[in-house]
Amino acid sequence: DVKVTQSSRYLVKRTGEKVFLECVQDMDHENMFWYRQDPGLGLRLIYFSYDVKMKEKGDIPEGYSVSREKKERFSLILESASTNQTSMYLCASSSNSGSKNIQYFGAGTRLSVL
Amino acid sequence: GNSVTQMEGPVTLSEEAFLTINCTYTATGYPSLFWYVQYPGEGLQLLLKATKADDKGSNKGFEATYRKETTSFHLEKGSVQVSDSAVYFCALSDREGGGADGLTFGKGTHLIIQP
Repeated sequence: DVKVTQSSRYLVKRTGEKVFLECVQDMDHENMFWYRQDPGLGLRLIYFSYDVKMKEKGDIPEGYSVSREKKERFSLILESASTNQTSMYLCASSSNSGSKNIQYFGAGTRLSVL
Repeated sequence: GNSVTQMEGPVTLSEEAFLTINCTYTATGYPSLFWYVQYPGEGLQLLLKATKADDKGSNKGFEATYRKETTSFHLEKGSVQVSDSAVYFCALSDREGGGADGLTFGKGTHLIIQP
């Protein structure tokens, strides 16, 4: 089974802190994604990556950056956390072969910025 | 751009009732369509998918048919159980041949099944 692991289930940070959210997948998937999930808004794509060191902006990239130094790991960075970044963050991965377009999700990280 | 519209909840049903959750979409190409489910405290799991018109996806008693003429992908189940209580997301991907693009999600429908 595909496993997508997010390093923390819950995080509490203060305004202005630099925050790192980590995601690791164990199926050698080429593509990785970061979404945020908010009530009434569903899931919105922040960034995605289709290869090591490659990244593409999603729908709401402002205030975020990402890093993909290794194929299995995709990090989301909040350079200076703000209260409006309090949310549930979901990481996902997908393959370019086999079951294309199916994304596999981690359990999520619930971030609170105080 | 692409968009997905689904009925917003919460939807509350009694056990063994018939379920329909409506989903319609707007896309420029020929998208693949998905239903994902999120159980409390968990991430999203793929429930079913369909990749072309008239395809029917099915899993765990749930079904959805890709209707290109009505741009719809409604989720149905004949007899729901308490364990089906979750949030259901309709989604599309219009990137043929690969997953290197984000999915477009609906806002989610919270389903509550009462014993």
